Amino acid sequence: NAGVMQNPRHLVRRRGQEARLRCSPMKGHSHVYWYRQLPEEGLKFMVYLQKENIIDESGMPKERFSAEFPKEGPSILRIQQVVRGDSAAYFCASSPPGGARENTIYFGEGSWLTVV
Amino acid sequence: AQSVTQLDSQVPVFEEAPVELRCNYSSSVSVYLFWYVQYPNQGLQLLLKYLSGSTLVKGINGFEAEFNKSQTSFHLRKPSVHISDTAEYFCAVNRNTGGFKTIFGAGTRLFVKA
Repeated sequence: NAGVMQNPRHLVRRRGQEARLRCSPMKGHSHVYWYRQLPEEGLKFMVYLQKENIIDESGMPKERFSAEFPKEGPSILRIQQVVRGDSAAYFCASSPPGGARENTIYFGEGSWLTVV
Repeated sequence: AQSVTQLDSQVPVFEEAPVELRCNYSSSVSVYLFWYVQYPNQGLQLLLKYLSGSTLVKGINGFEAEFNKSQTSFHLRKPSVHISDTAEYFCAVNRNTGGFKTIFGAGTRLFVKA
């Protein structure tokens, strides 16, 4: 499967625990984007990263949320001390770099976080 | 900064009827335009996109959209819908900033009735 891979698909955490969501981009893609979709709402941009570099994190909550895209391995969205309001679907997307002709971002199937 | 407005949150329509889902965008620079579809509990799938050239673009599943620069619109249309078209549809914009940070509208839920 050459698509964007996200795991886990479903994650249940108790309030105060940590959630880690992983995303492997499509082959040849160097940029990763994270979006959050709250119930009955649209997609909100959170952050976008290149390998070892955060490009734009203007949509990230100031506390408890962090993202990384290491040189090796998947991108990780980390939520510390989760609260009920963090329950949402988290989508990862990837794209080639800006110099490429293809400017479309492609989505993974999402990770559904439920905080109990 | 760019923004996207989808004018209808829900659109109910009977099977085999035509449908138009409306989208307006705001940007001070040239942007690329997209429509994505999301089926329940799934990710977003690209329906079609406008980059340049002909203002009428055709996508998958019989959908098409028309770019209107003067009205800053990119409405999605289908001449005859099916029950299987029931889904959430998102209009989006991006531009080349080294990457492609994409901004989405709030979505329109298309509900096709038998």
